[in-house]
Amino acid sequence: LAKTTQPISMDSYEGQEVNITCSHNNIATNDYITWYQQFPSQGPRFIIQGYKTKVTNEVASLFIPADRKSSTLSLPRVSLSDTAVYYCLVEQYNNNDMRFGAGTRLTVKP
Amino acid sequence: DAGVIQSPRHEVTEMGQEVTLRCKPISGHDYLFWYRQTMMRGLELLIYFNNNVPIDDSGMPEDRFSAKMPNASFSTLKIQPSEPRDSAVYFCASSLTVNTEAFFGQGTRLTVV
Repeated sequence: LAKTTQPISMDSYEGQEVNITCSHNNIATNDYITWYQQFPSQGPRFIIQGYKTKVTNEVASLFIPADRKSSTLSLPRVSLSDTAVYYCLVEQYNNNDMRFGAGTRLTVKP
Repeated sequence: DAGVIQSPRHEVTEMGQEVTLRCKPISGHDYLFWYRQTMMRGLELLIYFNNNVPIDDSGMPEDRFSAKMPNASFSTLKIQPSEPRDSAVYFCASSLTVNTEAFFGQGTRLTVV
């Protein structure tokens, strides 16, 4: 399984765009990149998944460079309610061994 | 669907007692996961099932832990005997198929005194 590395914590202010980068240097050819969000006292919640280039949904964008050794989760115009822990996972194709790293604790300030 | 349902939400038990955590996955989902979360160790994958069959239990900490999935709509995680270091939040999750979004339950907060 590809190991992931993320910043432990990040601070931002309301209305700003936040970019959280995850390193996964030994990602395999068929691996997917998935991001989850976890609020206190809740289970993680899926945000977005991608394989290469850019993926966008109503919540976030995921940027994956050509070498796929890193990925960046972009949250546009964050609000206080985006304060949470964000996890980057690398999932093997056709293998549901979903293991979470330490995640990035994002704090959004007013 | 009501989502993944876990019970109980909170459990306090004495060391040495047997504890059983329960999970009802989303109907139609083929995969079920059990996780444990603590401040020290983060979110750990304990075991996961595919179509009721355990696929990987390498995360189960020791023989005191066991998990079963007798049918597609129910799974249990049992700790016998429980120890204070088992205190954690235990999450169950399910996904429709491989490499798809996993849905988590609200978790069971276990305290062993």
